[in-house]
Amino acid sequence: DAKTTQPNSMESNEEEPVHLPCNHSTISGTDYIHWYRQLPSQGPEYVIHGLTSNVNNRMASLAIAEDRKSSTLILHRATLRDAAVYYCILKGDYGGSQGNLIFGKGTKLSVKP
Amino acid sequence: SQTIHQWPATLVQPVGSPLSLECTVEGTSNPNLYWYRQAAGRGLQLLFYSVGIGQISSEVPQNLSASRPQDRQFILSSKKLLLSDSGFYLCAWSVLLRADFYEQYFGPGTRLTVT
Repeated sequence: DAKTTQPNSMESNEEEPVHLPCNHSTISGTDYIHWYRQLPSQGPEYVIHGLTSNVNNRMASLAIAEDRKSSTLILHRATLRDAAVYYCILKGDYGGSQGNLIFGKGTKLSVKP
Repeated sequence: SQTIHQWPATLVQPVGSPLSLECTVEGTSNPNLYWYRQAAGRGLQLLFYSVGIGQISSEVPQNLSASRPQDRQFILSSKKLLLSDSGFYLCAWSVLLRADFYEQYFGPGTRLTVT
């Protein structure tokens, strides 16, 4: 699985949009881009994933660069409950049975009221 | 709906004592199961995963072991704990939802302190 690079930390104000970047310059054509987040003292939870096209769900949007070497997780209106560590993870080879995720250090998002 | 249980929630054990953490999943069949560890201030480290009963793969050699005696039960063990075993232990499960996607679901975790 290819490596991702994320900023260690970011700050946002409540009710403002947040753009969390992720670089993955060595991504392969079959790697999906996943985002998980981990709230304090909890296990991670799935946020969103995509391959080439931008994706939207109830939690966030995922913008994927045309060359797929970077992506951005967008929280449209940050709330205090969005304060968490956000992980960008590449996963390929779904022909295998493991479904493993390799977590990096992620970006710690702080939200100010 | 599916749920995942872990116990105990917190545990304080002396160095050299044994360890047994249990994880059970409800509401799904034949899930992939995982044990992760998160040391203080660090990222998640995959320790073991299992694709079926009795099938365990180890990602990191250490004094921990895992077993899967039943389809939806995953156990993490140690014969003698080290100080470095302290951390937040998370169990997770996943199923292949579509050809392109496994989603992982994490349990509430066990916070282990080795003294």
